[in-house]
Amino acid sequence: GQQLNQSPQSMFIQEGEDVSMNCTSSSIFNTWLWYKQDPGEGPVLLIALYKAGELTSNGRLTAQFGITRKDSFLNISASIPSDVGIYFCAGRSNDYKLSFGAGTTVTVRA
Amino acid sequence: GAGVSQSPRYKVAKRGQDVALRCDPISGHVSLFWYQQALGQGPEFLTYFQNEAQLDKSGLPSDRFFAERPEGSVSTLKIQRTQQEDSAVYLCASSLGGGISYEQYFGPGTRLTVT
Repeated sequence: GQQLNQSPQSMFIQEGEDVSMNCTSSSIFNTWLWYKQDPGEGPVLLIALYKAGELTSNGRLTAQFGITRKDSFLNISASIPSDVGIYFCAGRSNDYKLSFGAGTTVTVRA
Repeated sequence: GAGVSQSPRYKVAKRGQDVALRCDPISGHVSLFWYQQALGQGPEFLTYFQNEAQLDKSGLPSDRFFAERPEGSVSTLKIQRTQQEDSAVYLCASSLGGGISYEQYFGPGTRLTVT
């Protein structure tokens, strides 16, 4: 089963709003990743974090690797309709195996 | 360049049938992964190849599941005697290497429905 707790499970957001989602784990991870999955497609990597405390941005997306190495958050600023989708956090504790959260479903109100 | 491709995109199988799902990784990618994604869940790790060697198959749910990558490029995930609980999206991912900072790129998945 999945080790990661991702919240919220779903959210409705207003276009232009800033939103945040997070992920916690009972295990320590060496890498945190955030993916977005559109219907009928595979996950697409948004941001990768490799060091505790690291804060990284990719356009309107910002993510942080928690100091305890057991959590991460993702912020989306100024939401637009194409931000709709399912966002997954993933942690990696060794060289290759990813553990995923259950996802946050984002729906934008126009 | 071309991304990870998977075929078929959709597969309907009757319970008890065998199925074979194909993955074409990004050219030159050494590492290949299979994940299973149940409805409403995140992907769960099944197995990992480095070139043709299957280094980890700890996530395969039963001995009905078998994966191979005989020439270190294309991979096939085979499920024998399919059961209804096997219904899921099967995702393949590849990466340039197996270490940290070699991130995984996913294909579109094969949606398997067992009736």
